[in-house]
Amino acid sequence: DQQVKQNSPSLSVQEGRISILNCDYTNSMFDYFLWYKKYPAEGPTFLISISSIKDKNEDGRFTVFLNKSAKHLSLHIVPSQPGDSAVYFCAASSGSNYQLIWGAGTKLIIKP
Amino acid sequence: DGGITQSPKYLFRKEGQNVTLSCEQNLNHDAMYWYRQDPGQGLRLIYYSQIVNDFQKGDIAEGYSVSREKKESFPLTVTSAQKNPTAFYLCASSNTRGNQPQHFGDGTRLSIL
Repeated sequence: DQQVKQNSPSLSVQEGRISILNCDYTNSMFDYFLWYKKYPAEGPTFLISISSIKDKNEDGRFTVFLNKSAKHLSLHIVPSQPGDSAVYFCAASSGSNYQLIWGAGTKLIIKP
Repeated sequence: DGGITQSPKYLFRKEGQNVTLSCEQNLNHDAMYWYRQDPGQGLRLIYYSQIVNDFQKGDIAEGYSVSREKKESFPLTVTSAQKNPTAFYLCASSNTRGNQPQHFGDGTRLSIL
């Protein structure tokens, strides 16, 4: 039972345009959501997070949107840069449970 | 410079052999985690520990063992009982006060000879 789903295995975006990565979840108890970026043969790097009491969080070029009624979150990257090419994972947790439940990842390719 | 160090970066295991993966952190985090990543999949939790001398099984603990004798260290042993050990192993740590992200090491790739 996949509680966190990233339905797009890959996404290709022109440099300078907006990249939008999507994530859906099924567990209504999730209250903390995170996005990580991962290069091959390296560990994931934390990008941005959002608590369920908010619907938007912004950090530089990265914005995460949370739609609780739809159980959907998205990561917007504006403008997209070549160094953004990586696999992006969304993850979620609930309450004081420090375990993260992970999506399968979306490979973002930024074209020059 | 704080961080999480995993060693070795590459490890080869013979059939029937136990191997131990090292994970050390100097971030003063209480919680530590071990994940396994297979190609095209997300991270799956093997074991986690929220405090010294205590740890819990994750979703795929069979064939693995851990110890947490020091706050800074959380080694993972892949035993001969793990029939499909070839994977990328990631160690992470986090604070346990409020919502805090997990921070990761650079991983160990384990292969079978």
